[in-house]
Amino acid sequence: AQTVTQSQPEMSVQEAETVTLSCTYDTSENNYYLFWYKQPPSRQMILVIRQEAYKQQNATENRFSVNFQKAAKSFSLKISDSQLGDTAMYFCAFMKYSNMLTFGGGTRLMVKP
Amino acid sequence: EPEVTQTPSHQVTQMGQEVILRCVPISNHLYFYWYRQILGQKVEFLVSFYNNEISEKSEIFDDQFSVERPDGSNFTLKIRSTKLEDSAMYFCASSPGLAGGLDIQYFGAGTRLSVL
Repeated sequence: AQTVTQSQPEMSVQEAETVTLSCTYDTSENNYYLFWYKQPPSRQMILVIRQEAYKQQNATENRFSVNFQKAAKSFSLKISDSQLGDTAMYFCAFMKYSNMLTFGGGTRLMVKP
Repeated sequence: EPEVTQTPSHQVTQMGQEVILRCVPISNHLYFYWYRQILGQKVEFLVSFYNNEISEKSEIFDDQFSVERPDGSNFTLKIRSTKLEDSAMYFCASSPGLAGGLDIQYFGAGTRLSVL
C-alpha cells in the first residue's frame, strides 16, 4: 500500500516571500502521478500542480513549482512570491493508475501581511 | 467554471439512522468518487463509480455504505445505520475519464456529517 507523509502540520510565510512544503511517499510502483491540492477555508480542494513520475522535468504552474526526486520519493512544493490568497490547507496526493488518490495529512499554510 | 456541488454542507443525525449525502458532479464527467476525512486524520478514499457500477472500493466501504447515481446528474452516498465513528467530512469528486491519460479529480466542498 502507498503512504504519503507531510511532515509540516503548519507553516507560515511573509507575503512576497518563498515557502517550500515537504512531501514524501512510499510506493513500489514505477509509474504513478503526484499532486498538490489546495483547500482554502470552507472551500473545495483545487488542484495546484501535478507531476507524472515518468517525467524527469519538474512541473511548474506560474508561482508554483515542485522538486520531484523520484529516487528519494520526495515531492516538495515551492510557492514563490506568496500572496494572502495562498493561505490554505495544502495536501500532497499520490495516484497510481487505479484513479484512487492517497493523501498526506496536509500542511496548513498561513501567509502573513 | 463548472464545480462539483455537495448538499447539505452540514448534516446532523442520530446514531442508527440512515443518511444520504448528495453530490452533483461536473457535467460530462464519467468517474465519480467519495472520500472522507475524520477530524484530525487524513483524507481517505471510499469508493469510485463508473458506468453505473463500483469500480473500486476501500476496506472502509463496507456493507453499511452504498452509492447510487439515481438520475443523470446526482451521485449519492448512503450510510444505512450511522455510527458515532462515521462522523467526518465527506468529499465527492468527479473526473472526465480520460482514456490513456491523466484523469484529474475535481472535488466538492464537502458535507460535514455529525452523528450524535
